[in-house]
Amino acid sequence: GAVVSQHPSWVICKSGTSVKIECRSLDFQATTMFWYRQFPKQSLMLMATSNEGSKATYEQGVEKDKFLINHASLTLSTLTVTSAHPEDSSFYICSARPFPGLAFYEQYFGPGTRLTVT
Amino acid sequence: GESVGLHLPTLSVQEGDNSIINCAYSNSASDYFIWYKQESGKGPQFIIDIRSNMDKRQGQRVTVLLNKTVKHLSLQIAATQPGDSAVYFCAENGATSYDKVIFGPGTSLSVIP
Repeated sequence: GAVVSQHPSWVICKSGTSVKIECRSLDFQATTMFWYRQFPKQSLMLMATSNEGSKATYEQGVEKDKFLINHASLTLSTLTVTSAHPEDSSFYICSARPFPGLAFYEQYFGPGTRLTVT
Repeated sequence: GESVGLHLPTLSVQEGDNSIINCAYSNSASDYFIWYKQESGKGPQFIIDIRSNMDKRQGQRVTVLLNKTVKHLSLQIAATQPGDSAVYFCAENGATSYDKVIFGPGTSLSVIP
């Protein structure tokens, strides 16, 4: 149980184009999902908190107009990287918090999406 | 966004030996701490957690120790196996929002057969 999927697992796009990444909780409902970014040999950096039916909350320094987040259902959140540039190339990981859950900090991570912008 | 550190320390351990991975956390008000394992190209996987009112917790082959006085956390892995090779992250709840999880810099564990 508690499986989170991401699609696509990897994507290559040209500079200036937009890319959408999906995060799905497969066997549970998630009112809250989180989006992280991870550069090589570095830690996960929290980008934003996505709540079903409401606007996402972005961390300081993360451009909300560049990283569009939509959480339209209890099992799906999407991250759209708009006008992507090579510096946006990274590993994007989502996590989902089950509702109801065992602990308020409980979350399950997706397998990640490798984005390469050329 | 919130994150801690840009370095990735490495630890090499002989198969069968015990591993100790250390972590210094930043927020003295953090209430919970979690250890995650991340294999190459995958998302983090939960290992074990500990609340701030505890100083030790044991799981299967793993033990987490918490020293709040010096804001130090450690993960002990008994009888380390090749499958334990991964990057290990400690995480704490966020300073600005209680339910967010903030990751530490991570330690790369390499098990020598």
